[in-house]
Amino acid sequence: DAKTTQPTSMDCAEGRAANLPCNHSTISGNEYVYWYRQIHSQGPQYIIHGLKNNETNEMASLIITEDRKSSTLILPHATLRDTAVYYCIVRVAFGNAGNMLTFGGGTRLMVKP
Amino acid sequence: ETGVTQTPRHLVMGMTNKKSLKCEQHLGHNAMYWYKQSAKKPLELMFVYSLEERVENNSVPSRFSPECPNSSHLFLHLHTLQPEDSALYLCASSQVVGNQPQHFGDGTRLSIL
Repeated sequence: DAKTTQPTSMDCAEGRAANLPCNHSTISGNEYVYWYRQIHSQGPQYIIHGLKNNETNEMASLIITEDRKSSTLILPHATLRDTAVYYCIVRVAFGNAGNMLTFGGGTRLMVKP
Repeated sequence: ETGVTQTPRHLVMGMTNKKSLKCEQHLGHNAMYWYKQSAKKPLELMFVYSLEERVENNSVPSRFSPECPNSSHLFLHLHTLQPEDSALYLCASSQVVGNQPQHFGDGTRLSIL
């Protein structure tokens, strides 16, 4: 799986958009980008994923560059409850051996009042 | 509610004890996973079961023994653990194929005395 690079930490003001970047310059054509977050003392929570088109759901938007070497997760109106560690993972989603994920250190997002 | 339930949420045991962690998923998935998260370390994949057969074992010590009796249940049997095994143990499930994400439980916080 392609390696990802994320900033260690970021701050965001409550009510503003949080833009979390991820570099995955060695991504292959069939690898998806997944985003998860982990709030303290809980399991990772799935947020969104995509292949090459931008995606949006009720939680966030995912913007993938045209060359697919980087992506940005956007939380449009951050709240204090969005304070968490955010993980960007790239993964091939085909095969019969399950959908194994390799987690890095992620970005610690602190939403401040 | 993620659809993946882990019990117990907290466990304290001595090094000579034998205990088991339980995971149950209600999502109709056919792949299940055990991860370990030690303090200040990324999640580490321990075991993968696909269609109730183990397909991945990331060099985990034999004092950890997984069991997957059916596609909805996963156990992690523990015996003669070491203090460095204290960690958060997370279970996840997904479909075997396709690009749909893994869903995680909230984990069992294990402390070895």
